[in-house]
Amino acid sequence: DAGVIQSPRHEVTEMGQEVTLRCKPISGHNSLFWYRQTMMRGLELLIYFNNNVPIDDSGMPEDRFSAKMPNASFSTLKIQPSEPRDSAVYFCASSFGQRNTIYFGEGSWLTVV
Amino acid sequence: DAKTTQPPSMDCAEGRAANLPCNHSTISGNEYVYWYRQIHSQGPQYIIHGLKNNETNEMASLIITEDRKSSTLILPHATLRDTAVYYCIVKGRKEFYFGTGTSLTVIP
Repeated sequence: DAGVIQSPRHEVTEMGQEVTLRCKPISGHNSLFWYRQTMMRGLELLIYFNNNVPIDDSGMPEDRFSAKMPNASFSTLKIQPSEPRDSAVYFCASSFGQRNTIYFGEGSWLTVV
Repeated sequence: DAKTTQPPSMDCAEGRAANLPCNHSTISGNEYVYWYRQIHSQGPQYIIHGLKNNETNEMASLIITEDRKSSTLILPHATLRDTAVYYCIVKGRKEFYFGTGTSLTVIP
């Protein structure tokens, strides 16, 4: 079975540009999570969805970040405008039920120059 | 959710058992102990979880003390591919929050 699929795997963009990261959760999973990982802050939970509805976005750093889940098989994390401090690895994860074991994708490596 | 304390780093000889400790003295009755690992440049990988009883799967064993205040993840025969950061997480109602983990290095 396919795991969580993220795209792009790597992106380099210039400061001020819009960045869109994409995630396809594991089929049948109804909870989806976006994490960010940096050397300084480790793995941080940004936002999670249950049945396509955002439940907790308290980890979203600021208004430049937004996330959507238009259907059960697709989610996006958008940064507009991007800044160098947004450079990080962004992970998407999914689970069946928000309290159960979560499975991660391979991450999207973002560099903002 | 209860916080966890792990040593920042450990070494283990290849072929030997790797025993990774985790303290979670404030764990409550309905909170599970989860272990994940993250190999460099990859997403975190689920290993095992348990509530009270010891658990074993094809990857590892999880030993939880009777008072549940600590646990140990055991990799029975460590290989070089087990070099990774290992995260111990206590999870109840809230979501998975990752600490700094233990960086395990398996030495040839």
